[in-house]
Amino acid sequence: EPEVTQTPSHQVTQMGQEVILRCVPISNHLYFYWYRQILGQKVEFLVSFYNNEISEKSEIFDDQFSVERPDGSNFTLKIRSTKLEDSAMYFCASSQGGKETQYFGPGTRLLVL
Amino acid sequence: KNEVEQSPQNLTAQEGEFITINCSYSVGISALHWLQQHPGGGIVSLFMLSSGKKKHGRLIATINIQEKHSSLHITASHPRDSAVYICAVRAGTASKLTFGTGTRLQVTL
Repeated sequence: EPEVTQTPSHQVTQMGQEVILRCVPISNHLYFYWYRQILGQKVEFLVSFYNNEISEKSEIFDDQFSVERPDGSNFTLKIRSTKLEDSAMYFCASSQGGKETQYFGPGTRLLVL
Repeated sequence: KNEVEQSPQNLTAQEGEFITINCSYSVGISALHWLQQHPGGGIVSLFMLSSGKKKHGRLIATINIQEKHSSLHITASHPRDSAVYICAVRAGTASKLTFGTGTRLQVTL
């Protein structure tokens, strides 16, 4: 069964460093999402992406964040200058349509020191 | 702003028990999702519903749009059902999900 994959599974970085989290959505899906979950808290929406552009973003998704679909398969989240409070599990998700079931990747656990 | 509340926050049950987890939301929605999050963190979609009731195996999800309330039921619970169950809603024309805080279920032998 097709699934969403994410790399790396874990990343440790120093405050101020740039990180890129990678996702490979399910191949025939057209909508892509990033969510994050700070330890012990609920999952929060960051951004949705459709037709090669951001369709919606949350207040969390400030200028430090960017997303890109550099080729036909990858979907990336870049954090330019990481802060301690960016430490969280980041989930990528994809769906065939904007109102269809979203399928989640296994997550990337980011730790900023 | 759509608030999604779940109850209970924590639930312990013995194997075989019937379990109910509740979800309430504050504004009109286009769909509600029930998801399962395992200890390793991975999230699996269980149901997406916008009206009525859906059943998959031992899991049943219901929604009452007028009362802005949904329930997830697990019949004949088993230790492998132990996980965090999360309710998430999609409002209006948006595709993003707004999540509840989750219900941590522990099923013991």
